[in-house]
Amino acid sequence: EVQLQESGPGLVKPSQSLSLTCSVTGYSITSDYWGWIRQFPGNKMEWMGYMSYSGSTAYNPSLKSRISFTRDTSKNQFFLHLNSVTTEDTATYSCARRPIGSSGFDSWGQGVMVTVSS
Amino acid sequence: DTVLTQSPALTVSPGERVSISCRASEGVNSYIHWYQQKPGQQPKLLIYKTSNLASGVPARFSGSGSGTDFTLTIDPVEADDTATYFCQQSWNDPTFGGGTKLELK
Repeated sequence: EVQLQESGPGLVKPSQSLSLTCSVTGYSITSDYWGWIRQFPGNKMEWMGYMSYSGSTAYNPSLKSRISFTRDTSKNQFFLHLNSVTTEDTATYSCARRPIGSSGFDSWGQGVMVTVSS
Repeated sequence: DTVLTQSPALTVSPGERVSISCRASEGVNSYIHWYQQKPGQQPKLLIYKTSNLASGVPARFSGSGSGTDFTLTIDPVEADDTATYFCQQSWNDPTFGGGTKLELK
C-alpha cells in the first residue's frame, strides 16, 4: 500500500523560502505522477504542480516564478521549494499520487500546516 | 483558470438520495473527479473521470455529467457521509471547486 508523508518547518518568515519533503513508501516515485496541493484556511484548495515518473515537472502558472520540485529517487522522496513566501502562503501542504490514466489524486499524505509569519 | 462552482451546503436526511453539482466555466471533457473530506482528514478520491468509482468506494456513490455540468450522487445517504465534497478538473491546469458541505438532519 502506498503511503505518503510530508515533513518540513511549520513556521516560515515572510520573504524566506519554504522547503517540504514528501517521503513515499510502498510505491516507487519513478512510476505515476506526484503532486503538491495546498489547502488554505477556509478550505479552498490549490494545485501547485506535478512531478512525473521521469522527473519532468508542471507548475501552476500562478506560482511558476517561485516554485520548483526536485526528487531523490534513491530515497523515494520528492521535494517542494517555494521562494519569497508571504502570509498568503499560509496553508496546509499535501503531497499526493496521481496514477497514470486516472487524473484524480488517489493517495494523499496527512498534510503539514505551514504558517508564514514574522 | 477553469473555475468550478459548487453550492456551499446541503442538508438531507439519512436514507435519501442527494445530488451535489459542479459547474465548470468551460468544457472539461469528462475530466472531473470527486473527493470527500471529513473534518481533520485528507481528501479521499471517490470518483474519477466523471463516473469511475475509485477503489474501495461504496456503490452508493456515483458520478455523471458532461461538458460543463457534473453531478455526484449519493443514494442512499448514510450518517457517515457527513463531509465536504470537492470536485476537481484536470482537463486544463487542475483546479478545485469550493466544496459542498453535506450535513444530515
